[in-house]
Amino acid sequence: NAGVTQTPKFQVLKTGQSMTLQCAQDMNHEYMSWYRQDPGMGLRLIHYSVGAGITDQGEVPNGYNVSRSTTEDFPLRLLSAAPSQTSVYFCASSYSITPGSGNTIYFGEGSWLTVV
Amino acid sequence: GENVEQHPSTLSVQEGDSAVIKCTYSDSASNYFPWYKQELGKRPQLIIDIRSNVGEKKDQRIAVTLNKTAKHFSLHITETQPEDSAVYFCAARGSTLGRLYFGRGTQLTVWP
Repeated sequence: NAGVTQTPKFQVLKTGQSMTLQCAQDMNHEYMSWYRQDPGMGLRLIHYSVGAGITDQGEVPNGYNVSRSTTEDFPLRLLSAAPSQTSVYFCASSYSITPGSGNTIYFGEGSWLTVV
Repeated sequence: GENVEQHPSTLSVQEGDSAVIKCTYSDSASNYFPWYKQELGKRPQLIIDIRSNVGEKKDQRIAVTLNKTAKHFSLHITETQPEDSAVYFCAARGSTLGRLYFGRGTQLTVWP
């Protein structure tokens, strides 16, 4: 049981380049999400998914795309990287999104992205 | 949507003292309130959580209290130790399924 696995851990991009951050979990979790963390801003939700084939936008979705073709994987795509997307990205998952059961969210180790 | 405010942003205490971090939320339908600890360069890790049908929960030196009427919840750490030094985040799960809203974090420093 590896938990939530994110790759890559570090990445430097040039403005305008595209890339995909990978996220996988082996806990059969329904819920997966992506957050970005910036100094003094806490964790802000980018996109989330409540099951395979279902995705929705969070607080800061602009410039990012996601898909959920399988229960295990939830990749985050940066379409045309901008310096404002320099951040630490965390993938997270939980067994259930409904109150009263399995609400614990588990985070991946993070991906440090720099856009120059 | 939900709005979570967290205070203070920084907190310094002497080893052995208590530390209290407070959060308020705006959505009265929020029903789940976790607290996360994040050490430098590491992922956030859940340390304690509370559901809206409970007023207080304790786990060794850590406790969380919830006041639904006032829409605020607090983290209490007693007998602090240097290894408690980290950034602590509160969060609230609002009425929109799938959304967990975080406060901006509190940098706790425990001096030996």
